[in-house]
Amino acid sequence: DIQMTQSPSTLSASVGDRVTITCRASQSISTWLAWYQQKPGKAPKLLIYKASSLQSGVPSRFSGSGSGTEFTLTISSLQPDDFATYYCQQYDSYSQTFGQGTKVEIK
Amino acid sequence: QVQLVESGGGVVQPGRSLRLSCAASGFTFSNYGMHWVRQAPGKGLEWVAVISFDGRTKYYADSVEGRFTIFRDNSKNTLYLQMNSLRPEDTAVYYCAKGEGTEGAGDYFDYWGQGTLVTVSS
Repeated sequence: DIQMTQSPSTLSASVGDRVTITCRASQSISTWLAWYQQKPGKAPKLLIYKASSLQSGVPSRFSGSGSGTEFTLTISSLQPDDFATYYCQQYDSYSQTFGQGTKVEIK
Repeated sequence: QVQLVESGGGVVQPGRSLRLSCAASGFTFSNYGMHWVRQAPGKGLEWVAVISFDGRTKYYADSVEGRFTIFRDNSKNTLYLQMNSLRPEDTAVYYCAKGEGTEGAGDYFDYWGQGTLVTVSS
C-alpha cells in the first residue's frame, strides 16, 4: 500500500496567518491527491482534488500544489472557521490511503 | 442536494455481526462508485471498502478482507456494509462516501454521510 505522511501533526497559528501543510507519498502518485477538512464530530469535507483543483464552494484562500511524492495545502489567510484537522488522501490505486492528519489550532 | 444517511450502528459483542445501511438521494446513485470509510475514536481516517456503480467490482482494505462485504441495491438507492466476526479494533464511526467516478478504484470522495458509530465490546 502507498503510505501518506503529513507534517506537521499539529500547527498553532493566528487568524490572518499563512499556513502550509505538507503531505508526502511513499511512491509517486502523479497528481492523484485530495485534501479534506474535518471539524470535531463532523464528516470530512472535500477541499482540493487532483492536487490543485478547488472543489466547488470552497473559499479561494485554500490552494493545493505538488506532484509525484510531495504535496502542499496552503491557506493564504487563516480564518476562524479554518481551525480544524486536515487530511490528505491518495487515490492512485484502489486502496485509497489517508495521511494521519494535521490539526490546526489557535495560537 | 446530495444526501447520504447512514444507519445500523450500535453496540455489538466481539465475534458478532452487524449490517450498516446508507440511503442516498440527490444524485443518480447507479452512476457512481460508493465507499465506506471509518474513523476510530480520536484517530484518523481509514478507507474500508468500495463498490463499483454496477456492483460488479469490489475492493477491501486488508484489515477487513474476508470479514466485511460491501453491496448495493440501485433500485433502492442504498449502500450496505455487512460486517461479520467483529473485533474490538473495528470500533469506529463508519461513513459512507460518494466516489467521483464510476468504478471506485482510484477515487476521491466528494460527499460524505454524517456517520454511524459501531462499538465492539463485551
